[in-house]
Amino acid sequence: GNSVTQMEGPVTLSEEAFLTINCTYTATGYPSLFWYVQYPGEGLQLLLKATKADDKGSNKGFEATYRKETTSFHLEKGSVQVSDSAVYFCALPKAAGNKLTFGGGTRVLVKP
Amino acid sequence: KAGVTQTPRYLIKTRGQQVTLSCSPISGHRSVSWYQQTPGQGLQFLFEYFSETQRNKGNFPGRFSGRQFSNSRSEMNVSTLELGDSALYLCASSLATDMNTEAFFGQGTRLTVV
Repeated sequence: GNSVTQMEGPVTLSEEAFLTINCTYTATGYPSLFWYVQYPGEGLQLLLKATKADDKGSNKGFEATYRKETTSFHLEKGSVQVSDSAVYFCALPKAAGNKLTFGGGTRVLVKP
Repeated sequence: KAGVTQTPRYLIKTRGQQVTLSCSPISGHRSVSWYQQTPGQGLQFLFEYFSETQRNKGNFPGRFSGRQFSNSRSEMNVSTLELGDSALYLCASSLATDMNTEAFFGQGTRLTVV
């Protein structure tokens, strides 16, 4: 079945630094790819998605491009803020249906 | 519109007891999935329901069960609680069962078993 591997954290950055979180996947076909974010004490929020190869998802200054040739979906943000401190999860459907498989999560801490 | 609502937000139970968690999906969403989140195992899929039918089930013991009602609200039940069941339980709703449809999560129920 489909699977995803995500870089481990924690990642500690200063405000306004560049953030990249690596995510690679193994999939049958071309499922949609997702990034979710979890703020402290909260559930998961959908950050962005991409539905096909070369598609770029973007939201709140974050971007990720669906790369078929490298089977990657790296998350990037050009200038992070303290409020971006959270845990980020890469995800894709396991198979048919809405069963998602998640990466292990990357904790990001942004210091002022 | 209202998001996914999970109740209660926090629960403390004793080993051996049972617990029922509730999830109200976004209005119009008919698919509900449940996940367990722990520091050691991360996010693990429990089960998925669509139109009151269980469509997928994760690799969890039979102590974990769920159901979905005609109004799409869902409950999960854990019987004979163990310390290892302490976790954040997340519910997600989706408009359809298409694998490309995004899932919207509730804030979760944090269960502590003592």
